[in-house]
Amino acid sequence: EPEVTQTPSHQVTQMGQEVILRCVPISNHLYFYWYRQILGQKVEFLVSFYNNEISEKSEIFDDQFSVERPDGSNFTLKIRSTKLEDSAMYFCAIDYHPGQGTVSYNSPLHFGNGTRLTVT
Amino acid sequence: DAKTTQPNSMESNEEEPVHLPCNHSTISGTDYIHWYRQLPSQGPEYVIHGLTSNVNNRMASLAIAEDRKSSTLILHRATLRDAAVYYCILRDVRTSGSRLTFGEGTQLTVNP
Repeated sequence: EPEVTQTPSHQVTQMGQEVILRCVPISNHLYFYWYRQILGQKVEFLVSFYNNEISEKSEIFDDQFSVERPDGSNFTLKIRSTKLEDSAMYFCAIDYHPGQGTVSYNSPLHFGNGTRLTVT
Repeated sequence: DAKTTQPNSMESNEEEPVHLPCNHSTISGTDYIHWYRQLPSQGPEYVIHGLTSNVNNRMASLAIAEDRKSSTLILHRATLRDAAVYYCILRDVRTSGSRLTFGEGTQLTVNP
């Protein structure tokens, strides 16, 4: 199985500050995703990213959020001006299908262990 | 997104089989049935998925009803490590890279 490393594991920031969360999949993948989970709530979809473009985004993913893959390896989520309600676990995910070099329809998703963002 | 319905919680004893049910009466012909689980303080973890036929892998089995309106995730011998929230999710096969929509899931407790 692929390994998806997320850094940092825990980020504390003040309201209004910018944060960048990073995801490093070890293999080349086509689809990347960000999800978040506010403490005690459901896992929520934020955005999917394919071929260096946003493929789909949820209503949560407003202008304060952006994603990019700056060097072909790292996949980042930026929150420009954090709010208290942005405090959550943020999970990166990739499409993964063992034995295949490219994603197939409905490849399972492989998630990282998340970054805990605390906005004070 | 087509909805799924799962019990809020279930309990099992270690080394016994566990059958986790999921109802999806509005499933469409192009929806795959996915199961993920989330252990405490970890990201969601893929368990199994299928379309029409029953599926087996090293983690679990997936039994899909003939009309596809329900499915059951089967853990053959529960261990303490299987204590987690289990999510049954429908994902449209037509849209590569489509989102997973997580519900509340079933909290599985495994008793020693």
